[in-house]
Amino acid sequence: QKEVEQDPGPLSVPEGAIVSLNCTYSNSAFQYFMWYRQYSRKGPELLMYTYSSGNKEDGRFTAQVDKSSKYISLFIRDSQPSDSATYLCAMSSRADAGGTSYGKLTFGQGTILTVHP
Amino acid sequence: DAEITQSPRHKITETGRQVTLACHQTWNHNNMFWYRQDLGHGLRLIHYSYGVQDTNKGEVSDGYSVSRSNTEDLPLTLESAASSQTSVYFCASSVGTPGNTIYFGEGSWLTVV
Repeated sequence: QKEVEQDPGPLSVPEGAIVSLNCTYSNSAFQYFMWYRQYSRKGPELLMYTYSSGNKEDGRFTAQVDKSSKYISLFIRDSQPSDSATYLCAMSSRADAGGTSYGKLTFGQGTILTVHP
Repeated sequence: DAEITQSPRHKITETGRQVTLACHQTWNHNNMFWYRQDLGHGLRLIHYSYGVQDTNKGEVSDGYSVSRSNTEDLPLTLESAASSQTSVYFCASSVGTPGNTIYFGEGSWLTVV
């Protein structure tokens, strides 16, 4: 079983829809939770970052973390065709003995999202 | 502007050859990482470095090596390329402090025939 599970989709929605993307994880040491967006043939770029449990909102994007359920979500409101991309969840634990483990990320498989006009 | 660059962006090589993928960042970041991305697996960590002369194995390090002789560069070497190493490779760097962005390069597409 993978440490981080993410439904690869693909997910296709009409413009303006609310999109819900989810990941589950098994490692209780994960403390930092991120969502990355990756356009075709490009590198991932950080979209949202959350520490521990709770919600974080940034414009049309909301990230939720439920550590008790080991479940994280990304919501996209009023989705746009420009949101069409692969969305990857990523997680990291606290500093390890050799320094900070931040950046040593464990990724989900990624969900391919298409928003059609 | 500071950036992270990978080269080559595309490469085709033969089985058994040694291949080196370059990664150069101008942010003066201590942490550098190499990931590979394959369908159904997402991004998996190959090797990482927390500073000059420091290297560590990641989840899928077999057949790969790295060296860190300066802050800016972390080249990834495939000692004897295998078809299973056909993949997209991403280099990344970060300051190393939680909350700071991890920057990814544009990727290197490697095909081993």
